[in-house]
Amino acid sequence: GAGVSQTPSNKVTEKGKYVELRCDPISGHTALYWYRQSLGQGPEFLIYFQGTGAADDSGLPNDRFFAVRPEGSVSTLKIQRTERGDSAVYLCASRGGSSYNEQFFGPGTRLTVL
Amino acid sequence: AQKVTQAQTEISVVEKEDVTLDCVYETRDTTYYLFWYKQPPSGELVFLIRRNSFDEQNEISGRYSWNFQKSTSSFNFTITASQVVDSAVYFCALIDSAGKSTFGDGTTLTVKP
Repeated sequence: GAGVSQTPSNKVTEKGKYVELRCDPISGHTALYWYRQSLGQGPEFLIYFQGTGAADDSGLPNDRFFAVRPEGSVSTLKIQRTERGDSAVYLCASRGGSSYNEQFFGPGTRLTVL
Repeated sequence: AQKVTQAQTEISVVEKEDVTLDCVYETRDTTYYLFWYKQPPSGELVFLIRRNSFDEQNEISGRYSWNFQKSTSSFNFTITASQVVDSAVYFCALIDSAGKSTFGDGTTLTVKP
């Protein structure tokens, strides 16, 4: 497909469990973003990759959250010891070229922590 | 720190009315980029318009127009002759020169037939 894809679309887990969320960006896009969106709020910036490296991870809320992009394409957001407050929609976006270019968003992963 | 404020939480209009969505931002950067995105009920954010901090020229693109004023740190977005399909949540976003993004909390627009 030509767009950004995210898997799974829905994830239900229990408090304390570990989860991984995957993002497949548009082919050739060097920049990749992760956001968290809670109900009634805008996307909250988590981390931004330029290639394989994290250019800015200042939005990660604590050390339970970690993201990787080992080959500069697919990225995985990892959450350890999940808490009920982690429940949200996790969005991924990719961008080609400069920061002035638009980001293309995936459909998101809805994470529910019971 | 960057901040984007969308003071209008919800707006309701009747089809064919014009509607303006407000956005005020804060940044210390001199180079930055401003965007409007639309999030329809299906959930996926879609890019609408953009402007860089050095270009205050206002433009019209179809039914969309935007008014960027650095003096008031505002980037307002207008839909002319609104349609029911315009019903969605609209987000204003600021991207700094390093690529970090800050979104507002959105304005929910309802266009009634």
